Amino acid sequence: GDSVTQMEGPVTLSEEAFLTINCTYTATGYPSLFWYVQYPGEGLQLLLKATKADDKGSNKGFEATYRKETTSFHLEKGSVQVSDSAVYFCALIVSGGSYIPTFGRGTSLIVHP
Amino acid sequence: EPEVTQTPSHQVTQMGQEVILRCVPISNHLYFYWYRQILGQKVEFLVSFYNNEISEKSEIFDDQFSVERPDGSNFTLKIRSTKLEDSAMYFCASSEMGGLGETQYFGPGTRLLVL
Repeated sequence: GDSVTQMEGPVTLSEEAFLTINCTYTATGYPSLFWYVQYPGEGLQLLLKATKADDKGSNKGFEATYRKETTSFHLEKGSVQVSDSAVYFCALIVSGGSYIPTFGRGTSLIVHP
Repeated sequence: EPEVTQTPSHQVTQMGQEVILRCVPISNHLYFYWYRQILGQKVEFLVSFYNNEISEKSEIFDDQFSVERPDGSNFTLKIRSTKLEDSAMYFCASSEMGGLGETQYFGPGTRLLVL
């Protein structure tokens, strides 16, 4: 079946540090890939997405590139801020199947001043 | 900006009791969903709902669970006889349409603890 694996958290960084959160996937078909973010006390929000190989999704300084050869969609940001502290979820939806996303476990990011 | 709301934010119940989790989706959305996340595990799909009926459900969504849209604004998840393993965060979501390109908007979740 389809699955998403994320790196274990929490990831703890100082402000302005470089962020990488790893995400790999297995899919029965051709997936679209997503990152969601959940800030404290709020719901999951779509952060960025990519729908085909080599596409780069970006938003709010975050980027992720769809790598079909390594089945990965790692989330990166060059300089994190305290306000980026949140839980980040990687997800996929397989084209032609259900439009329900398959999520990973989430990775907590804590950014210290 | 419109948002999905959920009540209560936390609920503690005794095993065997019925609970109803409430959600108010975004007003012009037509598709509604419930997910859950057991602590430390993945966010799992439970059920989707469209046009007053279930459109898809996972194997988790057994006879203990039911969903309802009792009026024009609320969307509820009922667990008939709670078990310890039902302890989880339950997320409601809604989307305007149901296709691949549609963004689902999530509520903040209800944390359910079954004792």
